[in-house]
Amino acid sequence: GDSVTQMEGPVTLSEEAFLTINCTYTATGYPSLFWYVQYPGEGLQLLLKATKADDKGSNKGFEATYRKETTSFHLEKGSVQVSDSAVYFCALTFLDYKLSFGAGTTVTVRA
Amino acid sequence: NAGVTQTPKFRVLKTGQSMTLLCAQDMNHEYMYWYRQDPGMGLRLIHYSVGEGTTAKGEVPDGYNVSRLKKQNFLLGLESAAPSQTSVYFCASRRGEGNQPQHFGDGTRLSIL
Repeated sequence: GDSVTQMEGPVTLSEEAFLTINCTYTATGYPSLFWYVQYPGEGLQLLLKATKADDKGSNKGFEATYRKETTSFHLEKGSVQVSDSAVYFCALTFLDYKLSFGAGTTVTVRA
Repeated sequence: NAGVTQTPKFRVLKTGQSMTLLCAQDMNHEYMYWYRQDPGMGLRLIHYSVGEGTTAKGEVPDGYNVSRLKKQNFLLGLESAAPSQTSVYFCASRRGEGNQPQHFGDGTRLSIL
């Protein structure tokens, strides 16, 4: 079945550092891909999405490109802030309308 | 805009007790979902609904029941709580057409002693 594998954490960075969280997927077709973010004590919020190959999703300085050839959707941000400390989830959805999530990556940014 | 609202936010139960978690959405979404979140395991789908009066099993349905009597509400029931059901429960909803993102509530933290 469809599945998502994302980089294990936790990841600890200094402010203004570059962040990459790897995400790869397995699917029989061409799913839509998402990154969700969960801040402490809150539910998941959609961060960005891409619905077809070579699409780039972006929001709040984060970017991810849908790479069909490598079945990947890596999340990047050029200069992180303390407020970016959160858990990040990669997810996909396909024809059955359900989301398959990765295990989540905890990111801590230190001032 | 309320979005997706879950009640209660916290609850402690004793083994064998029953309870119902309520999820309400005001976005007129067709699909609704219940997940549980456990450390290191991401979110796992318990049950979901593709419309009023319909429900279906997800990955981990055992020990839970659900009902969707009204389009805006999705209830998750634990008939006889077990310590293994200690978790954070999230409800989500989405529009029916296309590969739309899901909108999540803030979660219910449930402890079973």
